[in-house]
Amino acid sequence: GENVEQHPSTLSVQEGDSAVIKCTYSDSASNYFPWYKQELGKRPQLIIDIRSNVGEKKDQRIAVTLNKTAKHFSLHITETQPEDSAVYFCAEETNFGNEKLTFGTGTRLTIIP
Amino acid sequence: DSGVTQTPKHLITATGQRVTLRCSPRSGDLSVYWYQQSLDQGLQFLIQYYNGEERAKGNILERFSAQQFPDLHSELNLSSLELGDSALYFCASSPRSGGGEQYFGPGTRLTVT
Repeated sequence: GENVEQHPSTLSVQEGDSAVIKCTYSDSASNYFPWYKQELGKRPQLIIDIRSNVGEKKDQRIAVTLNKTAKHFSLHITETQPEDSAVYFCAEETNFGNEKLTFGTGTRLTIIP
Repeated sequence: DSGVTQTPKHLITATGQRVTLRCSPRSGDLSVYWYQQSLDQGLQFLIQYYNGEERAKGNILERFSAQQFPDLHSELNLSSLELGDSALYFCASSPRSGGGEQYFGPGTRLTVT
């Protein structure tokens, strides 16, 4: 069945440092792994995603890595800025007759100026 | 602005009542997903429709139902409301069924008193 564990639940990082959030999933058939950012009172917005045939993907200061053997994927934010403060959700999708996203419980990231 | 619209923005109602939340997907998107987000909680998938047909179901209560109309807008009906149903309800849309970015609407905040 689908289950996504996300750690840590809260993370405080000095501005300019890096932040790493990790998610672990249980379904070996999972093949799509997006990351969403949700600012207070706003809608979740996709910031980066990765598919199971790729090990790493980068977009400017944001990167996602996927380890299919260990069933975990991580979000890396470098050179953090105050506007990176938000709640980040990982998710996974199994695309075989069960096309829904299962979200992690979220990580509240605070960037300390 | 994601292009997904939801109405109403806020809804306050009493226990035992019934409400209808409405979602209009982005132009051209065939899939609509409904999520529930309780205070300080993650996103719980409720149900997905694709081109008018139910495609996937999550932990949706029997008191809740949804449908997608020929013009692709969707409605989520919540009945016999309880205090615990107070939450943010998001809908999201995507061009296809699974495997890609979901675009979230601004959400409807439901308060049951």
